[in-house]
Amino acid sequence: DAGITQSPRYKITETGRQVTLMCHQTWSHSYMFWYRQDLGHGLRLIYYSAAADITDKGEVPDGYVVSRSKTENFPLTLESATRSQTSVYFCASGLTEAFFGQGTRLTVV
Amino acid sequence: DQQVKQNSPSLSVQEGRISILNCDYTNSMFDYFLWYKKYPAEGPTFLISISSIKDKNEDGRFTVFLNKSAKHLSLHIVPSQPGDSAVYFCAARGNFGNEKLTFGTGTRLTIIP
Repeated sequence: DAGITQSPRYKITETGRQVTLMCHQTWSHSYMFWYRQDLGHGLRLIYYSAAADITDKGEVPDGYVVSRSKTENFPLTLESATRSQTSVYFCASGLTEAFFGQGTRLTVV
Repeated sequence: DQQVKQNSPSLSVQEGRISILNCDYTNSMFDYFLWYKKYPAEGPTFLISISSIKDKNEDGRFTVFLNKSAKHLSLHIVPSQPGDSAVYFCAARGNFGNEKLTFGTGTRLTIIP
């Protein structure tokens, strides 16, 4: 199916663990984004990518790492998860009108 | 520094009446503005957009107005329907290296039957 998919949908992890959130899109969009949604903050940009092998920091990049070896995939890694990274994470692709995935709810305990 | 602001966290409107959601921005380099709608446990979905060269864009029940001098945009929904109950996010982007979307904090719209 065409679209953008995130996995997993839900994840519970312990403080200090490494976690990777996956994002896959089938439109061959150049631009891809990672946002986190927190109450009172709306959607904040973590990282984005203009093309394969090109990534750039957003508003809240600390503690996160991204890579983009293929156009269709844009994984987000939390190198050492902290409780403050408990959030809902959204991946998006596209430029003029970004299309969002269903989100990953991550809980760090 | 919040470059896109939605000062009303929530709004309740009677079914059939007009809903008006507001958004202010501070970055004069923004030249394209979007509204997204979000239901619980789903990703945001694109609703309507407007370029800075226009002051109005209409799509069915949804109209977006842009006042560049005031750095203000608004979304009008008329008539409001129960299915319009959701969180609405305003977003803005620039160009030439500033293409990333910057979002506001959202307004929760509740339509009262």
